[in-house]
Amino acid sequence: NAGVTQTPKFQVLKTGQSMTLQCAQDMNHNSMYWYRQDPGMGLRLIYYSASEGTTDKGEVPNGYNVSRLNKREFSLRLESAAPSQTSVYFCASSAGGAGNEKLFFGSGTQLSVL
Amino acid sequence: GESVGLHLPTLSVQEGDNSIINCAYSNSASDYFIWYKQESGKGPQFIIDIRSNMDKRQGQRVTVLLNKTVKHLSLQIAATQPGDSAVYFCAEKAPWSGATNKLIFGTGTLLAVQP
Repeated sequence: NAGVTQTPKFQVLKTGQSMTLQCAQDMNHNSMYWYRQDPGMGLRLIYYSASEGTTDKGEVPNGYNVSRLNKREFSLRLESAAPSQTSVYFCASSAGGAGNEKLFFGSGTQLSVL
Repeated sequence: GESVGLHLPTLSVQEGDNSIINCAYSNSASDYFIWYKQESGKGPQFIIDIRSNMDKRQGQRVTVLLNKTVKHLSLQIAATQPGDSAVYFCAEKAPWSGATNKLIFGTGTLLAVQP
């Protein structure tokens, strides 16, 4: 049981380049989330998908787009990367709904934008 | 202790001692709280959670205490081991998030276990 799988693990971009971070979960979870983590700060929510077919903005959505491709997969796209987007990105999933608040996290993608 | 902010507090303990990590949460209406452990280079890993209708919950070597009066959460780790060295995050469920279950994370506390 792999849980939440993120690819790639590391990525270096130049300013203005685009890329997509991939995330897949095999727990049949309804909800999926993208967080970023910066040094000395907690996890901040970028976007989430409460269920297949829906996506909503989180706390820091600017500069990002997401796609809930199907129930398993939730991708995060940077259309034009900026140095301020240098961070570690975590995908998470949860069963969703009342009483199912626990998030399960992937191992992260470390992104550097030069 | 931990609070929402820009600093990463550090707690240094001796192996075998008990550790207490503190967290101040922000929303009095929050009804669900959770602790995660994050080792270097890994994603956060669930430790224990608690709902607001409880004051205390115990797991294996860990206990979470909730004081709603002062909006304070603590994680106690018994007989701390070197493998417990990590950053510990508390999180509260955003009271306005309903079924979307959005969690608000604190900044974390670094636990350093000295052999």
